[in-house]
Amino acid sequence: DGGITQSPKYLFRKEGQNVTLSCEQNLNHDAMYWYRQDPGQGLRLIYYSQIVNDFQKGDIAEGYSVSREKKESFPLTVTSAQKNPTAFYLCASKTGSKAGNTIYFGEGSWLTVV
Amino acid sequence: QKEVEQDPGPLSVPEGAIVSLNCTYSNSAFQYFMWYRQYSRKGPELLMYTYSSGNKEDGRFTAQVDKSSKYISLFIRDSQPSDSATYLCAMTRTGTASKLTFGTGTRLQVTL
Repeated sequence: DGGITQSPKYLFRKEGQNVTLSCEQNLNHDAMYWYRQDPGQGLRLIYYSQIVNDFQKGDIAEGYSVSREKKESFPLTVTSAQKNPTAFYLCASKTGSKAGNTIYFGEGSWLTVV
Repeated sequence: QKEVEQDPGPLSVPEGAIVSLNCTYSNSAFQYFMWYRQYSRKGPELLMYTYSSGNKEDGRFTAQVDKSSKYISLFIRDSQPSDSATYLCAMTRTGTASKLTFGTGTRLQVTL
């Protein structure tokens, strides 16, 4: 089935460690996004990529890094520099470059810092 | 002030009621308006998508956009317990690479 796969679903991280969240899509979508969701704050954009080997910072990029080496993959690394990383992370993708094209989300990854 | 305002609820209604969910926004450049439904611990799923002003109906769901008032609504008719979820409004404009601006979400509970 076509879709967006995020892994792992649940992840625990010790303070000071980097962790990488995986996002894979088989929808042949050009653009991919990472959002963070916190209670009472809605979704906030971390990074986005419109084509392979290119990506841009979103509204809250500090403490995060990404890569886009393949069209279907857009991993997110939460670094030790991210001061409050505990959150629900959502990957999304969209076909084409028009603003009106629909964005679809994966099932999300829960990150908890212990 | 946030660009998109949405009452977080919770909103509790009996089964069969008509539900009205709303968002207001401040950026007049927004042209594309969406409603997503999110079940607990799941990713958001797209419910309705509207371009510019007007109404759009899909089964029990109706989306309305009033750009003059910067106000969008989602109506759910004959609400069901399975409609219990958080509803997120989102919007974007051309030239932003489809970066969505979200409301905080309204939690809806439909009771038997």
